[in-house]
Amino acid sequence: AQSVTQLDSHVSVSEGTPVLLRCNYSSSYSPSLFWYVQHPNKGLQLLLKYTSAATLVKGINGFEAEFKKSETSFHLTKPSAHMSDAAEYFCVVSERTGRRALTFGSGTRLQVQP
Amino acid sequence: DGGITQSPKYLFRKEGQNVTLSCEQNLNHDAMYWYRQDPGQGLRLIYYSQIVNDFQKGDIAEGYSVSREKKESFPLTVTSAQKNPTAFYLCASRGLAGDIGELFFGEGSRLTVL
Repeated sequence: AQSVTQLDSHVSVSEGTPVLLRCNYSSSYSPSLFWYVQHPNKGLQLLLKYTSAATLVKGINGFEAEFKKSETSFHLTKPSAHMSDAAEYFCVVSERTGRRALTFGSGTRLQVQP
Repeated sequence: DGGITQSPKYLFRKEGQNVTLSCEQNLNHDAMYWYRQDPGQGLRLIYYSQIVNDFQKGDIAEGYSVSREKKESFPLTVTSAQKNPTAFYLCASRGLAGDIGELFFGEGSRLTVL
């Protein structure tokens, strides 16, 4: 069985300060991990993915995430927040063998203060 | 431009009525998915289809039905048997050559039961 836990339901930062959105996963198989972003009343857009290549993954809009197997974590970071980053972010785990189902985290809402 | 089109964007339904949500894609993707999103929760899979004329139940299929008569189209019917249908519904697609977690999403349909 697989699961994903997003440790914060809301995160608030000031514009220009770093962003950290935390994600822990559990998987019986070697996982693929993804971060998606959702702006209000919109669909989800893929930010970045980890599929067993480099453990530090760079995505769109300056976001990156590091896969840490020993900590079962895949935290999303950005050095400097922009107002347009305000959105909901979802961590997703997919097993690369077995049933290969997707499991979504419950989401983290990022607020960016001017 | 390639993408996924969902319609209608907003829909109101009286109790006891069936409603159908449209999902059309011009990405030439084989796989299509329907997800339900409720506030504070991650996405939950309703149905998916990997090929025309074939579809599989997801985790919360009760009270829903789908069809896949054309590669481009995957409509979802919310039936009167669905006890709590008010939610945001998202359609997604994926090319079979892509990673299972690399989904392209439509902008969603918000269903409200009056």
